[in-house]
Amino acid sequence: DTEVTQTPKHLVMGMTNKKSLKCEQHMGHRAMYWYKQKAKKPPELMFVYSYEKLSINESVPSRFSPECPNSSLLNLHLHALQPEDSALYLCASSRSGKNYRQGRGAGTEAFFGQGTRLTVV
Amino acid sequence: GQQLNQSPQSMFIQEGEDVSMNCTSSSIFNTWLWYKQDPGEGPVLLIALYKAGELTSNGRLTAQFGITRKDSFLNISASIPSDVGIYFCACYPYSGAGSYQLTFGKGTKLSVIP
Repeated sequence: DTEVTQTPKHLVMGMTNKKSLKCEQHMGHRAMYWYKQKAKKPPELMFVYSYEKLSINESVPSRFSPECPNSSLLNLHLHALQPEDSALYLCASSRSGKNYRQGRGAGTEAFFGQGTRLTVV
Repeated sequence: GQQLNQSPQSMFIQEGEDVSMNCTSSSIFNTWLWYKQDPGEGPVLLIALYKAGELTSNGRLTAQFGITRKDSFLNISASIPSDVGIYFCACYPYSGAGSYQLTFGKGTKLSVIP
């Protein structure tokens, strides 16, 4: 099973709304990630959690707030977004945070969810 | 930062033809990954390569990790309509403790003409 589940699949929100994106995996992976993808562009890393602790924040604006309640769940809380934040938001996980850090060997490959298509109006 | 040069940017091929795409970089990488992404969906892992010179197949797909650690190619044989999509190469930097950044190529958009 290499499934990463994201909900919702689509989300439309106003600039004053607060919403959350959810991600779940049951592969025992200890590293989880949020990516943002604009049309016709590759995914861009936003946040990395390793063993439920935030390891990387790629200078993401504070209107995006990640949370990792446990090793299987990852949330992205959204507040006061701008229209330019409209994009496909992808969650991913990989088997071992340690292997991922060292970037070698099996376990470093990241598995992605199907994404949440976010539209900010 | 590290950059991956992926080519071609797009391809139009006839069903049944073979396809080849590649990624190159001036930096050394430890792991090469190839993903396929359909519109509105997340990338799906096709092949993972871990060692320089490694050649790996997955059905009609074949990928190789370049001996210099700076390049990789993906071949698709006997293409079919469902091969349509965007193919990304991705990899991690060779060194850098604590470096979690998966670097992506810009993608190759494949169109298959029935």
